[in-house]
Amino acid sequence: NAGVTQTPKFRILKIGQSMTLQCTQDMNHNYMYWYRQDPGMGLKLIYYSVGAGITDKGEVPNGYNVSRSTTEDFPLRLELAAPSQTSVYFCASRPVSYEKLFFGSGTQLSVL
Amino acid sequence: AQTVTQSQPEMSVQEAETVTLSCTYDTSESDYYLFWYKQPPSRQMILVIRQEAYKQQNATENRFSVNFQKAAKSFSLKISDSQLGDAAMYFCAYRSGVRDDKIIFGKGTRLHILP
Repeated sequence: NAGVTQTPKFRILKIGQSMTLQCTQDMNHNYMYWYRQDPGMGLKLIYYSVGAGITDKGEVPNGYNVSRSTTEDFPLRLELAAPSQTSVYFCASRPVSYEKLFFGSGTQLSVL
Repeated sequence: AQTVTQSQPEMSVQEAETVTLSCTYDTSESDYYLFWYKQPPSRQMILVIRQEAYKQQNATENRFSVNFQKAAKSFSLKISDSQLGDAAMYFCAYRSGVRDDKIIFGKGTRLHILP
């Protein structure tokens, strides 16, 4: 099993550029999450989804958008990249009524 | 809104000794779940231990155990017989048992193991 797959692993963006961080899982999990991790700040929840077609804001949603058209995919869109979005981004998933999160390997994003 | 607080940014422990990492949380709910995740330098996130709030008995997983004090909203992690491989960031996390969706994390504690 591939588990949770994130692409790309690394990316450098210029201020104002846009990009999509891809996340796909092959475990048929209903719940999917996007977190960002900044040094000394832990993981902050950006957006989450409880199933296809349903998304909701987390703790720090500004500057991001998501969609969930299928159970497998949960892409995260940055429309106008800013230096404050430099971070490591983690996608995670879990099945219903099981608390363990399955994490991807992360995307290191730098906005310069 | 729920919050998770880890007040120890860094800690060090001698190999083979015992260390306790602190976590407090704020919630108005009575039904919830608490977790400790470990993040080694590889950046992988590993679930260490979980606790259901309705269970009075503290969870244990081999050398890892928790001290869950529901009234005090405290959830500390005890690592016994510390090993070099325990060196990592440790995150405390919370999930509501009512709203079965958000999982929020504390800022983490970096644990150093001294040989």
